[in-house]
Amino acid sequence: QVQLVESGGGVVQPGTSLRLSCLTSGFSLINYGMHWVRQAPGKGLEWVAVISYDGENIYYADSVRGRFTISRDTSRNIVYLQMNSLRHDDSSVYYCARITGAVAGYFDLWGQGTLVTVAS
Amino acid sequence: QSVLTQPPSVSAAPGQKVTISCSGSSTNIGNSYVSWYQQVPGTVPKLLIYDNDQRPSGIPDRFSGSKSGTSASLSITGLQTGDEAEYFCGTWDYRLNGWLFGGGTKLTV
Repeated sequence: QVQLVESGGGVVQPGTSLRLSCLTSGFSLINYGMHWVRQAPGKGLEWVAVISYDGENIYYADSVRGRFTISRDTSRNIVYLQMNSLRHDDSSVYYCARITGAVAGYFDLWGQGTLVTVAS
Repeated sequence: QSVLTQPPSVSAAPGQKVTISCSGSSTNIGNSYVSWYQQVPGTVPKLLIYDNDQRPSGIPDRFSGSKSGTSASLSITGLQTGDEAEYFCGTWDYRLNGWLFGGGTKLTV
């Protein structure tokens, strides 16, 4: 079954770290780029980061560059998002999404999302 | 403020047609395919249109997309109450090296 399942969300204090995981199944990460997209409560979609199908191209949104790191383990079929120095405005539902191209294309598969709440 | 500009809201009566615009620039829409996503509150975004004007299997032909220059649009005909949702356009920006979403348009039927 082709699907994405995120995990790792929770409630954390500002300045701390959290690692999100996106377990993929039914396809190989070496064939697809993977993105993280977030959505704050009541707000629109905000792109966070992408790792290309070959792992060679990684890009970040300005709002997270230097604090977040996207990576993957192709042997375990997992995509990660390491989030450091978390801020209140990082509070969102975080979705992983599969892209049809290396980094661009369109999102044809989404996970159900995992909620991150940054609060003191 | 999103780089891709969408109207915050549109409304129309059941059975009518609505068009949602998405305006960008030469570094994004002007040089990349546009896709559209539908998000009913509390659910995951769903792909509606890809590569400017293509419908995935299972998407009714009431939904159509187009692109001209640095703008794209999504049209929905024969509106149904079930079409009430937020609609997002998206594309890659080759100058920013990042994916862009429009701010979203809330459709009321």
